[in-house]
Amino acid sequence: QLQLQESGPGLVKPSETLSLTCTVSGGSISSSSYYWGWIRQPPGKGLEWIGSIYYSGSTYYNPSLKSRVTISVDTSKNQFSLKLSSVTAADTAVYYCARHSGGNSGDWFDPWGQGTLVTVSS
Amino acid sequence: EIVLTQSPATLSLSPGERATLSCRASQSVSSYLAWYQQKPGQAPRLLIYDASNRATGIPARFSGSGSGTDFTLTISSLEPEDFAVYYCQQRSNWPPEITFGQGTRLEIK
Repeated sequence: QLQLQESGPGLVKPSETLSLTCTVSGGSISSSSYYWGWIRQPPGKGLEWIGSIYYSGSTYYNPSLKSRVTISVDTSKNQFSLKLSSVTAADTAVYYCARHSGGNSGDWFDPWGQGTLVTVSS
Repeated sequence: EIVLTQSPATLSLSPGERATLSCRASQSVSSYLAWYQQKPGQAPRLLIYDASNRATGIPARFSGSGSGTDFTLTISSLEPEDFAVYYCQQRSNWPPEITFGQGTRLEIK
């Protein structure tokens, strides 16, 4: 059974870089069938897609965050990572990683990690 | 950017009743729409993909329909565990972007 687990600091200072890692277990991140994605949810609000990466390193990002986001993959560790620069309080959210299915049909996320709360505060 | 608008914002029903949730896209998304359920303190769970396909392990009381700009998630007979927030989600081809609706809260009446 595929499982994903987010890890990283729960508190980040304004203007600094948020860094999170998602560890995939129960399956290979190098599967040719899937992308791997990051989604976030501010407290009490809805879901926002941040971006997704293929095992080869190909990425695509939410245009509204693209200038601050970098997603990378480490196939040797079965992990992918998120970096979000120049954070503000508006970046405070629960950050989820998920397997991203798609291609010739629609796209969807399944399964999801449990999520990790990142608070931006001095 | 394709905007997804969900209605109603809140739906109050009783167990055993039928729930009908709507998701409208600002332009056609073909059948490329997914639905998720989220309970408090939990990650979203995929219910439906490609508008009408139930995800693995999802009960038959959940069904999805629609194409183009108008989509519906129907729960045929509400169970106590179905009261949650529901989101729709789409992918546009150009620019390649994924967006979610703002959610519908299904609450016990």
